[in-house]
Amino acid sequence: ETGVTQTPRHLVMGMTNKKSLKCEQHLGHNAMYWYKQSAKKPLELMFVYNFKEQTENNSVPSRFSPECPNSSHLFLHLHTLQPEDSALYLCASSEGTDYEQYFGPGTRLTVT
Amino acid sequence: AQKVTQAQTEISVVEKEDVTLDCVYETRDTTYYLFWYKQPPSGELVFLIRRNSFDEQNEISGRYSWNFQKSTSSFNFTITASQVVDSAVYFCALSEAITGGGNKLTFGTGTQLKVEL
Repeated sequence: ETGVTQTPRHLVMGMTNKKSLKCEQHLGHNAMYWYKQSAKKPLELMFVYNFKEQTENNSVPSRFSPECPNSSHLFLHLHTLQPEDSALYLCASSEGTDYEQYFGPGTRLTVT
Repeated sequence: AQKVTQAQTEISVVEKEDVTLDCVYETRDTTYYLFWYKQPPSGELVFLIRRNSFDEQNEISGRYSWNFQKSTSSFNFTITASQVVDSAVYFCALSEAITGGGNKLTFGTGTQLKVEL
């Protein structure tokens, strides 16, 4: 595999479910990111990790819980979500500060 | 706070026409980076270019060219001889370094480009 991969690509979950999104980067990058893309809204940065340490939490509700076990893997744990959390969740990685970010294909999440 | 404005919500052109996508940004930083990304219907954002605030030279890559003008805080993107495969949403973004590592991208709302035969 090359680049940034995300699984699953599509996810439908109820408001009481617990699920996790997975991201893996094969680029040797140090930083990883989660973004949320809702219809008709700009991409919103959610979390940033650099060398496994969280460096940014953009006021994300606690029902979203990130985990970064190493520089290549990033997870987003989801629990008790709301319908308005339905969106495309994009993972990205970069070599470091000021470098371009490379994005995965995203997970299309629907909360019912 | 940083801000990126892409005033054109949607542009439709006929194949082989040239098209320019506008991007205007606001920042108080003296050093910053600007980016353009392409998002085809498949959803994945594809990196196109990164530009340092100190480098105002225009850049050309095949049919793509970028015009960075610091005086007007603009970083416009031109596609020459557009093709149907260019149909996508294009995002301009501004970078802000994060203490501790990584960088925060502020994206514009995107411009939907439709290229028709």
